[in-house]
Parts: sequence; C-alpha cells; structure tokens
Amino acid sequence: GENVEQHPSTLSVQEGDSAVIKCTYSDSASNYFPWYKQELGKRPQLIIDIRSNVGEKKDQRIAVTLNKTAKHFSLHITETQPEDSAVYFCSLNQAGTALIFGKGTTLSVSS
Amino acid sequence: SAVISQKPSRDICQRGTSLTIQCQVDSQVTMMFWYRQQPGQSLTLIATANQGSEATYESGFVIDKFPISRPNLTFSTLTVSNMSPEDSSIYLCSVISGSTDTQYFGPGTRLTVL
Repeated sequence: GENVEQHPSTLSVQEGDSAVIKCTYSDSASNYFPWYKQELGKRPQLIIDIRSNVGEKKDQRIAVTLNKTAKHFSLHITETQPEDSAVYFCSLNQAGTALIFGKGTTLSVSS
Repeated sequence: SAVISQKPSRDICQRGTSLTIQCQVDSQVTMMFWYRQQPGQSLTLIATANQGSEATYESGFVIDKFPISRPNLTFSTLTVSNMSPEDSSIYLCSVISGSTDTQYFGPGTRLTVL
C-alpha cells in the first residue's frame, strides 16, 4: 500500500523563524494532499490542502508546495509564533478513499 | 463542515471486556472511517464503515476484534472486543462530507485498558 515518509520528526525554531516539513510518497495515483495540525489532547484539524493539479497554495503564513514528478510535498510556516507549536501530520489519498498519514512532526516555537 | 460527536469521550476498562464507541454526524456523509492513534503516534486507519454492508478492514485489523456498524448515513459504532492493555489508544471517527475530499475528525475516544 501507499507509504508516506515525513521529516523531520521534531523541529525547534525561534519565534519569527520559518519552519519547513517535508513528506515523500510512493503512489503516483495519489491526488489530494492535506496537512493537519494536532494540539495536545485535541483532534486533528485541517490547516491547508493541495490537489495534484496545483503546484503551490498559500494561506496567510502557511503554504504548501507539491512536486508530483519527485513525489514530495512540503509545508512552509513563516513568521512562526508560539501558538504554532503542535504536531503536524501530512496525509494523502486518492479521491473517495481514506487518508493515509505520515508519522508527524512535533514543532516547538520558543519565544 | 460536518459536526461530529463521539461517545464516550473517554473510558477506563478492564482487560477482557468490550467497549462500543458511537459516532454521530449532523448531516449525511458519503464516507465514514475509524482510526486509531496510539500514545505519541500517528493515525492508523482501522476500517471504512460502509452503510448497509460489512466494513472494509485494513491490514492488521479484523472484524472479530473491531466489529463496526453503520446503519445509516449519519451514525456508526466501533466495538473494541476482548480488550488488552495494548488497545489503550485514542479512537477517532472521521468523515468525508459533500462533494469535496475534505476529511473531518471527531473529538476522539480516549481508551485506557487496565
């Protein structure tokens, strides 16, 4: 089945710095790539997503890039703030199927 | 987005017993799924809950251990049977709603097995 590799597993940055998390996948049929943020004790929340016909998408301080040829996609957070501290999961699927998740990245933003 | 509720929110159970978790959605949804999140880990898909037919299980999960029902388009249950401490996890219901691929998650059920 599909496999999603996510790196790094932990990331520590200073407030105001940028953070980048990268995921690679194997199944070229995957066409939907959402990112979820999970705060301690909470459910995963969708923060941004991208579809296979788009190379980049931005929403304020968050952006996602997709390289279908190389089979990788990345989450970029600029001007990080302490409230960005959480676990971030990349995921993917094909239309109408369940999401498969990466192992997660614990982001710590220190002020 | 769909509003998803789960009951119970948490439970502490004894080894060998079973627990049924309920998932209720405020609107009809096309797809419902059950995930497990072990402590400090990622989300692992248990099964797809199919309305009116048997659930589709992922590798490593079987119906005898995790029976699932989905009697209609807004409700599903997951039973964790003959529990052992290794079943201690958060169990999350998830749905795809409407015409988009967006997948939403319920608040989860935190299960501790002693």
